[in-house]
Amino acid sequence: QQQVKQSPQSLIVQKGGISIINCAYENTAFDYFPWYQQFPGKGPALLIAIRPDVSEKKEGRFTISFNKSAKQFSLHIMDSQPGDSATYFCASKRSGSARQLTFGSGTQLTVLP
Amino acid sequence: EADIYQTPRYLVIGTGKKITLECSQTMGHDKMYWYQQDPGMELHLIHYSYGVNSTEKGDLSSESTVSRIRTEHFPLTLESARPSHTSQYLCASSDTPLAGKADTQYFGPGTRLTVL
Repeated sequence: QQQVKQSPQSLIVQKGGISIINCAYENTAFDYFPWYQQFPGKGPALLIAIRPDVSEKKEGRFTISFNKSAKQFSLHIMDSQPGDSATYFCASKRSGSARQLTFGSGTQLTVLP
Repeated sequence: EADIYQTPRYLVIGTGKKITLECSQTMGHDKMYWYQQDPGMELHLIHYSYGVNSTEKGDLSSESTVSRIRTEHFPLTLESARPSHTSQYLCASSDTPLAGKADTQYFGPGTRLTVL
């Protein structure tokens, strides 16, 4: 049973455009929602994370929007650059829980020059 | 930048061989994890450890085994490799967070295993 559903599976955006990746979770006990970025041949690296006490968090060109009632959160990449081309994974976890991160299926982003 | 290392980075072996994938971290993290990931696909947790002499199976069933004799070291072993084991194996670690904080997982670069 997949507890975190991620879409789209792949995304192609022109340089300077906005990239939007969506995730939906099922477990209402989740209270930590990170996004990981993975380049080919590398392990994933934490990009940005949010807790449900805020509806939005911004770090540079990367923004997480969180909708607690809909159990959805999304990653927005403003002014997308070719260097942003990577696979992005959303994840969810209940803080303090013995359970580990539950990852989405990933989105392969390609930013065209 | 996290200090977590995996060796080898690439491994091509024949069926039936015993292999050990190494993972080490120098951050003193108490938790360590092994994930299996096919190219471009999601990560599946196969093993995790809360500390020395503590190991648990993950969500995805795996024929591999792990050990945690030292805090910094979390090797994964396949007693008899098969082509179905061909995949990328990612090691990660995290620390016990402060109250109210979540534990960030830091990933190694991965080992790409091919079993012929």
